[in-house]
Amino acid sequence: AQSVTQLGSHVSVSEGALVLLRCNYSSSVPPYLFWYVQYPNQGLQLLLKYTSAATLVKGINGFEAEFKKSETSFHLTKPSAHMSDAAEYFCAVSRASKIIFGSGTRLSIRP
Amino acid sequence: NAGVMQNPRHLVRRRGQEARLRCSPMKGHSHVYWYRQLPEEGLKFMVYLQKENIIDESGMPKERFSAEFPKEGPSILRIQQVVRGDSAAYFCASSPVQGQYSNQPQHFGDGTRLSIL
Repeated sequence: AQSVTQLGSHVSVSEGALVLLRCNYSSSVPPYLFWYVQYPNQGLQLLLKYTSAATLVKGINGFEAEFKKSETSFHLTKPSAHMSDAAEYFCAVSRASKIIFGSGTRLSIRP
Repeated sequence: NAGVMQNPRHLVRRRGQEARLRCSPMKGHSHVYWYRQLPEEGLKFMVYLQKENIIDESGMPKERFSAEFPKEGPSILRIQQVVRGDSAAYFCASSPVQGQYSNQPQHFGDGTRLSIL
């Protein structure tokens, strides 16, 4: 069965600091992986997706994620945090016709 | 706005009433998915529909919940005899191709926040 685990329900970083949000997946076959962002009272917006074409995936808003099969990880990073990055981030894996979401990580940015 | 449209954005119902949530997919999308998000939790899959067909309803509660996606008009998620535990945000998503092509991302609406008094 495919699933994702997000480590850390809340991450706080200073403005300008590195952002690292962790996600590990479990899958018996190469997965399709996604990162979504949710701003307050809004739906989910796709940040990036991994589809086996390249292990380093670049997304919107300066985010990127690296697929590491040996570690079964797909961590999300951004070199320099901005106040507007404060939101909830969800790692997800696609299974058949549905998306399985992690429990989410709330990112806070300190001025 | 050519995105996924959900209405209403907020819905308040008393226990025992019916709740109807509507979703119009993106233009050109014929595949609709419903998810439920409880407070402080991630989204949980409920149902996947194509026009006039329910493809996968493995996440739907067995009672009181139903969904449809008619040939004309929006997809409807219907909750009968609502209870306090139904309070949640309900999100609709759509995609242009079948779910078996799993690398296609789903596009989400802004959700309907359902509150049960």
